Amino acid sequence: GGIITQTPKFLIGQEGQKLTLKCQQNFNHDTMYWYRQDSGKGLRLIYYSITENDLQKGDLSEGYDASREKKSSFSLTVTSAQKNEMAVFLCASSKLGDYAEQFFGPGTRLTVL
Amino acid sequence: QQKVQQSPESLSVPEGGMASLNCTSSDRNFQYFWWYRQHSGEGPKALMSIFSDGDKKEGRFTAHLNKASLHVSLHIRDSQPSDSALYFCAASDNSNNRIFFGDGTQLVVKP
Repeated sequence: GGIITQTPKFLIGQEGQKLTLKCQQNFNHDTMYWYRQDSGKGLRLIYYSITENDLQKGDLSEGYDASREKKSSFSLTVTSAQKNEMAVFLCASSKLGDYAEQFFGPGTRLTVL
Repeated sequence: QQKVQQSPESLSVPEGGMASLNCTSSDRNFQYFWWYRQHSGEGPKALMSIFSDGDKKEGRFTAHLNKASLHVSLHIRDSQPSDSALYFCAASDNSNNRIFFGDGTQLVVKP
């Protein structure tokens, strides 16, 4: 088994501020993902990294940057926080391959004042 | 256009009842399908996968896939209050290491 750790659990920022969310996994998975979930709704893919040196934009990448520092860690930066993007940000990881199950972390809840 | 559509948006069933959740996709390239479940305050967790036409049963949960009609369903027998959660259908097309999630069905099982 393994675990995905997301820090911080709660993040409060000011409008226009640059904010960074971090994710660590110990599954030894190749692929990592960042999703945004608005108030109990669906998951929208922001960025993903298929292998350690790869970075792919998802459907919602505008306003975000991502960095795969090493195989086990993947961070997401909100470049300029906006009030309409208060949401839960979920990190996930999986083995390589389209048939692979994704394992999710508990999420970081972002509040923008 | 959303590639994976789920219905209904919300569903309420009595304890011990049957819950039926539906999912259709708009992409004929999708080959792999999953159901994920998310309890409040937690991340989603994979419930079951189904890759071949027909039924797949795991305990009280049965998934059904019909690739010709791009339809997948999940049936929960003898529903329990602990089954109350947000259920996501997800699909992938074996091309780019990502899966596409539907918007979810909120299931409430009333004691």
